[in-house]
Amino acid sequence: NAGVMQNPRHLVRRRGQEARLRCSPMKGHSHVYWYRQLPEEGLKFMVYLQKENIIDESGMPKERFSAEFPKEGPSILRIQQVVRGDSAAYFCASSPLKTSGRGYEQYFGPGTRLTVT
Amino acid sequence: SQQGEEDPQALSIQEGENATMNCSYKTSINNLQWYRQNSGRGLVHLILIRSNEREKHSGRLRVTLDTSKKSSSLLITASRAADTASYFCATEWSSASKIIFGSGTRLSIRP
Repeated sequence: NAGVMQNPRHLVRRRGQEARLRCSPMKGHSHVYWYRQLPEEGLKFMVYLQKENIIDESGMPKERFSAEFPKEGPSILRIQQVVRGDSAAYFCASSPLKTSGRGYEQYFGPGTRLTVT
Repeated sequence: SQQGEEDPQALSIQEGENATMNCSYKTSINNLQWYRQNSGRGLVHLILIRSNEREKHSGRLRVTLDTSKKSSSLLITASRAADTASYFCATEWSSASKIIFGSGTRLSIRP
């Protein structure tokens, strides 16, 4: 069973370009989460999605950032008109359907390191 | 603000010694999880402890949870060089279906 896949692993964009980060969850997992990590810092929650549904986007910047998890295909985190401050590692995690009261663990992908020049 | 805060921020110990990291949080939780991150890599889930549990073991790892103090500790016994990594606690809130990570403890094991 393949783990969570993210691509690309490294992405370089010039200021003003768009960045698209892809995440394929583990087989059978219906929940996807995106996190951002700045150097020497912890992970900051961005968004939580299920298929065709955004459940919680409270950590997403209001502008330029969007996320989707279509019925078919990977989840996409899209950053428009990137700025230098967007440079970070972006991690995706997936989890299985949560059973009420039991809690769940998240399985992380290797991350995409975005560098904005 | 972050839900979980680890203490200390950095810890350096001799190989073979025990390492203890602490995590404090602020609101009511369903469970608390510990993760490890090796430099430049993704996170690896270590252990999950539910709010009605007080202690859990997994190999050389021992996790405790004190909901009255809103704190947890991770103990790694007989540390090895391969334990060098950052360790994060993450809390699943009772009121929302997401987990929030702390800022991590950077553990270094000296040979």
